[in-house]
Amino acid sequence: AQSVTQPDIHITVSEGASLELRCNYSYGATPYLFWYVQSPGQGLQLLLKYFSGDTLVQGIKGFEAEFKRSQSSFNLRKPSVHWSDAAEYFCAVGAQSNDYKLSFGAGTTVTVRA
Amino acid sequence: EPEVTQTPSHQVTQMGQEVILRCVPISNHLYFYWYRQILGQKVEFLVSFYNNEISEKSEIFDDQFSVERPDGSNFTLKIRSTKLEDSAMYFCASRAGARVSTNEQFFGPGTRLTVL
Repeated sequence: AQSVTQPDIHITVSEGASLELRCNYSYGATPYLFWYVQSPGQGLQLLLKYFSGDTLVQGIKGFEAEFKRSQSSFNLRKPSVHWSDAAEYFCAVGAQSNDYKLSFGAGTTVTVRA
Repeated sequence: EPEVTQTPSHQVTQMGQEVILRCVPISNHLYFYWYRQILGQKVEFLVSFYNNEISEKSEIFDDQFSVERPDGSNFTLKIRSTKLEDSAMYFCASRAGARVSTNEQFFGPGTRLTVL
């Protein structure tokens, strides 16, 4: 079975500082990995995805993530956060074998202080 | 830009009542999903639907739940007899096709269901 762990429940960063959100997945075959962002009261917006090729993927809003198979990780990074990045971030894993149903991590809440 | 829409945005119901949550997926998409998120918890998969039938469902998706694509545009989730623990945000998602390049799911804004 596929599963995702996001070890950090809550992260506070200063505006302009860098941000890294951790994600570890468990899946036997090649995973399809996603990062979604959810602002308060909003739906889920896809930031980026990985399914093959270059292990460093670029997404929207200046985010990037790196797939490391040896560590079963897919960490999300942003070099310089903006106040508008305050939100909840979800890592998810899907698989072609089960219609790409997504298993989500518990989420990391990011607070940005001025 | 095409998007998934959901109605209503908020539904309040009494325990034991039936509710139908509606979704309009992106028009050329073939795969449809329902997820839910209980307040403060992670998003959980409920069911996937393709070619007018359920392709996979979770253990949460018991006999009280059903899905339907009654016409060419709507995708509905019905909860036959709601329980307090059904209170959650329900997200609909759709995906274009079977190729790897189309494996991204697009999510709707959600319907918040409150069962009293």
